Amino acid sequence: SQTIHQWPATLVQPVGSPLSLECTVEGTSNPNLYWYRQAAGRGLQLLFYSVGIGQISSEVPQNLSASRPQDRQFILSSKKLLLSDSGFYLCAWSTAGGPRNEQFFGPGTRLTVL
Amino acid sequence: DQQVKQNSPSLSVQEGRISILNCDYTNSMFDYFLWYKKYPAEGPTFLISISSIKDKNEDGRFTVFLNKSAKHLSLHIVPSQPGDSAVYFCAASDRGGGSNYKLTFGKGTLLTVNP
Repeated sequence: SQTIHQWPATLVQPVGSPLSLECTVEGTSNPNLYWYRQAAGRGLQLLFYSVGIGQISSEVPQNLSASRPQDRQFILSSKKLLLSDSGFYLCAWSTAGGPRNEQFFGPGTRLTVL
Repeated sequence: DQQVKQNSPSLSVQEGRISILNCDYTNSMFDYFLWYKKYPAEGPTFLISISSIKDKNEDGRFTVFLNKSAKHLSLHIVPSQPGDSAVYFCAASDRGGGSNYKLTFGKGTLLTVNP
């Protein structure tokens, strides 16, 4: 069966510090991968998605970046965090081939920027 | 511009009764719709989906209805149980326009089922 891991589970970082969140998927090959953010009182906002190694599409302008160094690894990064980067970050995967395949979410990372 | 709207931020129902969660969308290109359930501090879990070629899909206590002309879908939970208390997200996708891999989510509705 497929599983998706995210770490860390919680993170408290000062403004201006760097960020690295990691997501890995097991039990599937060539998945589509996604990074979402849920800010307080808001829905799920898609930040990045990837259909293959090294292929990253950005949905919203921001000071975050994403990378996919391996088939089942997706990393969310920032060089300098802002207060507005606080939120609940979710990684998700789906099987390649289009939107009819449901997306499956990881447990999330709660990021607080102080 | 919000393409998927869940206008009720919260809903409270009694155990055993029906819960009806509503969702409206504006993009006529959406052709696949999903409902997710989310507990606090956890990732959303997939519940049920429906293709635009159907108007109803049922899975146990969960039924999703789609009204394409009104651009409206709803999730019915019968009977409601206290364990159903969670935030429910409506999501939609379209295959055209180069957006084959994205889901657009609503802001969610917090369902509370009272014993």
